[in-house]
Formats: sequence, C-alpha cells, structure tokens
Amino acid sequence: DGGITQSPKYLFRKEGQNVTLSCEQNLNHDAMYWYRQDPGQGLRLIYYSQIVNDFQKGDIAEGYSVSREKKESFPLTVTSAQKNPTAFYLCASSPSGTPSAAFFGQGTRLTVV
Amino acid sequence: QKEVEQNSGPLSVPEGAIASLNCTYSDRGSQSFFWYRQYSGKSPELIMSIYSNGDKEDGRFTAQLNKASQYVSLLIRDSQPSDSATYLCAVTESQGNLIFGKGTKLSVKP
Repeated sequence: DGGITQSPKYLFRKEGQNVTLSCEQNLNHDAMYWYRQDPGQGLRLIYYSQIVNDFQKGDIAEGYSVSREKKESFPLTVTSAQKNPTAFYLCASSPSGTPSAAFFGQGTRLTVV
Repeated sequence: QKEVEQNSGPLSVPEGAIASLNCTYSDRGSQSFFWYRQYSGKSPELIMSIYSNGDKEDGRFTAQLNKASQYVSLLIRDSQPSDSATYLCAVTESQGNLIFGKGTKLSVKP
C-alpha cells in the first residue's frame, strides 16, 4: 500500500522539551511538506523540501526544525523555542515537476502538558 | 501576503440539495486549484483538482474556475449527510507551494 505515514498519532510534551514527529512516504514523491492546523484555522506551512538534503522555511518556521536525509523521510522537530506548540500537525508529499496536489498523512496531534 | 479566502460557514443544506462552496485567491500567477474535504479530527483528502477555466465534473462534484475573476467554486449535487465536513480550497502559488483557505464547514441535514 502506497501512502504517507505519520507517527505517533497523539503526542504529549512537557514544556521545555523537544519532540520529533515522524513522516515517511513510499510514493516516490520528491516534495514533502509540514503544515500546522489550529482549531478553526486553515493549514499553515512550516517547512518544505523539494529534494533530498534541501529544505526551505515556510510561513511559520520559528521554533521548528527539519531534516531530509532520505527521499522517504521528513521528520519535524518541535523545539522548546516554539511557544505555542499545541496543534494538529500534517505531513504531505507531492510529485515534483508540475504544480500538483499534496497528499496527506493522518496527522499527529501534539499537546503540551 | 498571498491569500485564499473562503466563507467559514457553517453552510447548511437539506439532503438532496446542491451545496455551493466558494473561494477567491489573490495570486494572479496561480495555475493549479484544489478542493480538499476534511472530516473532524482527520487529515484533508483531495476530492477535486482544476487547472483551466470552466467546469470540471466528477460524479456529484463540479469544480468551476474563473481565473479572470480569481474565483474557484465547488458544487456538490444531491448532497448527503456523509458530505458534512469542512471543505478546504487550496491554490498553488507562483513558487509552487500550496496555500490553503481556512475552510467552509458544510452541514447536510437529513
């Protein structure tokens, strides 16, 4: 089955801790994205990567970091510098070349306790 | 700042009626337009894509695009209670990234 897998589905973090959200895809897509969604809000772009070993900041990158060492994987670290990290995090991927739709994983709901 | 605007709703329609969802965008360079459906607590699911002016039909769904007016819409015919969800409009900006609207919540009453 081809798809995008995010883990864990639910994550609880204590204040001051860094946490890493996993995103893996086996669709052979070049581009991968991280979005954040808050209640009643649209999706806001955190980071994106068009190719392995390269990534760019999105609109709300402060307090987050990413890596893209493999085509299949694009983990997101929420650092202690992110002041309001409680949100629904969505990873997506898309084929490269022409502008195309993004396909989403099932999401990770992060809560700060 | 490039924007995608949607009426947040909720939009309430009776079962069997046509639901009409609208979206405007600010980037005249946008070339690709998408509609996603998102059930509560779930991730967005792509339901329609449209790239050229006019209408595109897929089953009960019709997407309409007017680039001159920077307007894209989604019609859902014979609405069903299972269509109740939030519908997100997404537009590819000039750099290639997707910009999402905040979504319109649709409620289909039996």
